[in-house]
Amino acid sequence: EADIYQTPRYLVIGTGKKITLECSQTMGHDKMYWYQQDPGMELHLIHYSYGVNSTEKGDLSSESTVSRIRTEHFPLTLESARPSHTSQYLCASSEWVSDQPQHFGDGTRLSIL
Amino acid sequence: AQKVTQAQTEISVVEKEDVTLDCVYETRDTTYYLFWYKQPPSGELVFLIRRNSFDEQNEISGRYSWNFQKSTSSFNFTITASQVVDSAVYFCALTLVLNNAGNMLTFGGGTRLMVKP
Repeated sequence: EADIYQTPRYLVIGTGKKITLECSQTMGHDKMYWYQQDPGMELHLIHYSYGVNSTEKGDLSSESTVSRIRTEHFPLTLESARPSHTSQYLCASSEWVSDQPQHFGDGTRLSIL
Repeated sequence: AQKVTQAQTEISVVEKEDVTLDCVYETRDTTYYLFWYKQPPSGELVFLIRRNSFDEQNEISGRYSWNFQKSTSSFNFTITASQVVDSAVYFCALTLVLNNAGNMLTFGGGTRLMVKP
C-alpha cells in the first residue's frame, strides 16, 4: 500500500473562491506530481517537483500553483476558482530512479459552481 | 516526444470472458519503461506492472498477463476469465530511462473495461 494522501476527497465550491488541495506522502519520495483528469479519462500532468523548493509546470497549462516547502507536502492552489477548473486532481509521488512507479493518491473531485 | 495510444476507449464483456487491452507506444529512445495502471470507480490509480525495454519476457500474475513486443511497439494486457471486480479504466504509460526528470510518465488515453455479470 502506498502512503500518499489527498484531501479533500470531494469539494463543491462557488466561483471566485481560493482553494488549496492537499497532498502528503510518508514514503520520503523526492518527486511529486499533480495530474488533472478530464471527464473523458485522459490524465494530464500539470505540475511536478524534484524535491524541496523545486516546482515545474507540466505538459498542460494550468492556472493553479504549487509549492514544495517540505519533502512530504505538495499542495496545489487555485487563487480564484472557475467552473472550467471542475475536474479530478490526482497527486502522485515516486522515488528518484526511473524504473520506480508513481504512487497515486485517491484524488480530489473538484466541482466549481 | 513520446506517445502512448490505447485505441480501445471502451470494452464490454460478460463475466468469465477473456479480454485483451491494447497499448501501442512511440519513442525514439532505446531504453524506457512501460507501466499499466488500473483506476477503479473509486478514482485512485493502482500500479499493476512495470516492464523495461530490454526485457521482452511475457509476464503472468494470476489472471493477468502482459505481452511485450518491441518489434511492434506494443505492450498488451490480457485478463483471463474476467470478473465484475475487473471493471475499471486501465492506463498504459511510458517513461524514459535517460530523461533527467525521471519517472515522467506519458499516459495513454485509457480503456474503460466493463465486465457484466
